[in-house]
Amino acid sequence: SAVISQKPSRDICQRGTSLTIQCQVDSQVTMMFWYRQQPGQSLTLIATANQGSEATYESGFVIDKFPISRPNLTFSTLTVSNLSPEDSSIYLCSATTEKLFFGSGTQLSVL
Amino acid sequence: RKEVEQDPGPFNVPEGATVAFNCTYSNSASQSFFWYRQDCRKEPKLLMSVYSSGNEDGRFTAQLNRASQYISLLIRDSKLSDSATYLCVVTKRSQGNLIFGKGTKLSVKP
Repeated sequence: SAVISQKPSRDICQRGTSLTIQCQVDSQVTMMFWYRQQPGQSLTLIATANQGSEATYESGFVIDKFPISRPNLTFSTLTVSNLSPEDSSIYLCSATTEKLFFGSGTQLSVL
Repeated sequence: RKEVEQDPGPFNVPEGATVAFNCTYSNSASQSFFWYRQDCRKEPKLLMSVYSSGNEDGRFTAQLNRASQYISLLIRDSKLSDSATYLCVVTKRSQGNLIFGKGTKLSVKP
């Protein structure tokens, strides 16, 4: 199994600012993913982070709002930009080895 | 119709009880199926994969019915530590793009 370190674990941000979330995997993985889990809701895939190319975004998510970096096979960042209270959520990164494993999540609150 | 539907619960059961969760999915092209467990304010963790032949892991049994597009999870001899939300997960492609149900909350009482 893979170990995924995600940080920060939580943050409180002001409206209009941005937050960058980092995920470090303890082994090289081909695919990394970013999910959002709004209160009381299921996990929703934001995008697939591809190494060496642009991320692939799901319907309803755009690069300007959720820019993603994937500089190598063990690391990725997600930025949530121009924050509004509606962005308050848990953000999770994940990676596949044989199965899908998750980082511990980032609880974001926007004031 | 939602892609993955689960009864949200909560299911409140006494220790030692047997409890079953159901899940239906709408896309007949779905390829892989899983049950994840999510504790409060924690990340989801894989509980078990679900195979057409059915599979068992200790007190947990998972079943898949492709014809009915239905997945189940049976927990026998419930423990207090089984209290969590159980997420039904379905994939449409060979990797990634997992579709999560909203989860079924289980509370096991002494």
